[in-house]
Amino acid sequence: GQQLNQSPQSMFIQEGEDVSMNCTSSSIFNTWLWYKQDPGEGPVLLIALYKAGELTSNGRLTAQFGITRKDSFLNISASIPSDVGIYFCAGPTNSGYALNFGKGTSLLVTP
Amino acid sequence: NAGVMQNPRHLVRRRGQEARLRCSPMKGHSHVYWYRQLPEEGLKFMVYLQKENIIDESGMPKERFSAEFPKEGPSILRIQQVVRGDSAAYFCASSTGENQPQHFGDGTRLSIL
Repeated sequence: GQQLNQSPQSMFIQEGEDVSMNCTSSSIFNTWLWYKQDPGEGPVLLIALYKAGELTSNGRLTAQFGITRKDSFLNISASIPSDVGIYFCAGPTNSGYALNFGKGTSLLVTP
Repeated sequence: NAGVMQNPRHLVRRRGQEARLRCSPMKGHSHVYWYRQLPEEGLKFMVYLQKENIIDESGMPKERFSAEFPKEGPSILRIQQVVRGDSAAYFCASSTGENQPQHFGDGTRLSIL
């Protein structure tokens, strides 16, 4: 199946710092999705990317769809404590509808 | 709150019992997906349903697991004769169409004693 590798596995940063995390795939994706999961809750869609090279922002979050279509990154600027959570990248499987998720990047922000 | 609703949020069962997990999709969504999440893992696809039809159950174990999405009422994920390895968080997502963004519920955390 399509493997999604996320790095880093975890990050521990201070409030106000910028954060960057990425996701690479063993095969080409036509869509990249970034979700955030808070403890005890379901994943919430942050950003969806549909075109190679696309750069999309959502508030302090910016994500890019890599030119090779095998990678994507997510940046968070000026982090705040409520950014704490696990960030997952996801892309559609060969079926086109089921999502394949990475193992997540766990973010901790200290005040 | 018009989001995806799952219940119960927590479910405890003894080995050999049955577990029934319910999911009501967002209003206007007719596509439902079930995923399973083990600790410190990403979500793994189990099954995709539209009203009264199972479209793809390739991610679901062949035995003991079944899913339905009837014409009326919520989607149900049913696990018969549960075993300890079934302990996980089960998430439901819904969308308006096959290639549309999936929105997730808050999951059911199943614990097997």
